[in-house]
Amino acid sequence: KNEVEQSPQNLTAQEGEFITINCSYSVGISALHWLQQHPGGGIVSLFMLSSGKKKHGRLIATINIQEKHSSLHITASHPRDSAVYICAVFAFGAQKLVFGQGTRLTINP
Amino acid sequence: GAVVSQHPSRVICKSGTSVKIECRSLDFQATTMFWYRQFPKQSLMLMATSNEGSKATYEQGVEKDKFLINHASLTLSTLTVTSAHPEDSSFYICSARAGGAGNTIYFGEGSWLTVV
Repeated sequence: KNEVEQSPQNLTAQEGEFITINCSYSVGISALHWLQQHPGGGIVSLFMLSSGKKKHGRLIATINIQEKHSSLHITASHPRDSAVYICAVFAFGAQKLVFGQGTRLTINP
Repeated sequence: GAVVSQHPSRVICKSGTSVKIECRSLDFQATTMFWYRQFPKQSLMLMATSNEGSKATYEQGVEKDKFLINHASLTLSTLTVTSAHPEDSSFYICSARAGGAGNTIYFGEGSWLTVV
């Protein structure tokens, strides 16, 4: 079992739908990252969380440290949101990120 | 915001030659940089962690003599693929961790390497 598990692995939705991507992890962490990778390859860091909730535009990220779970929400989804979304964590004392397998999101017009 | 610049974004080289990819932190000091490799539709695979002024720490299975990593300054790390082979063709991406024990990570745009 991976230390970081994401679900779903693939998600297709219609424009305007509310999207939720989940991430569960099995280790104690100092921070969790949500990343976005577009087909061209570049990776953008969307959020870094250690507790609570963060919002940026139509994106919301939450984390529950006790339950070792985080969610990424996209409101009013748009085709340009189509990308791979990756959850990654820094375990306590670790220098490197541990990645989830990614969620491939496709938003159809 | 902080930017990590990676160059070149695309490179084609002949088998047997070496190619260098640069990763620069443009507006912050990166004490630690990471190099990843990614095959199509797969997750990022960490190749090595480089700390400024010291030797890189390679992940198991990564040939250190083939993938030379240098982190000579707080803003520059380089990955050199030596004696390139077509199987080295891949997407390589770097990330940089801001100084100290911070958890902020910034990623480069990635480099597509094709070995012909």
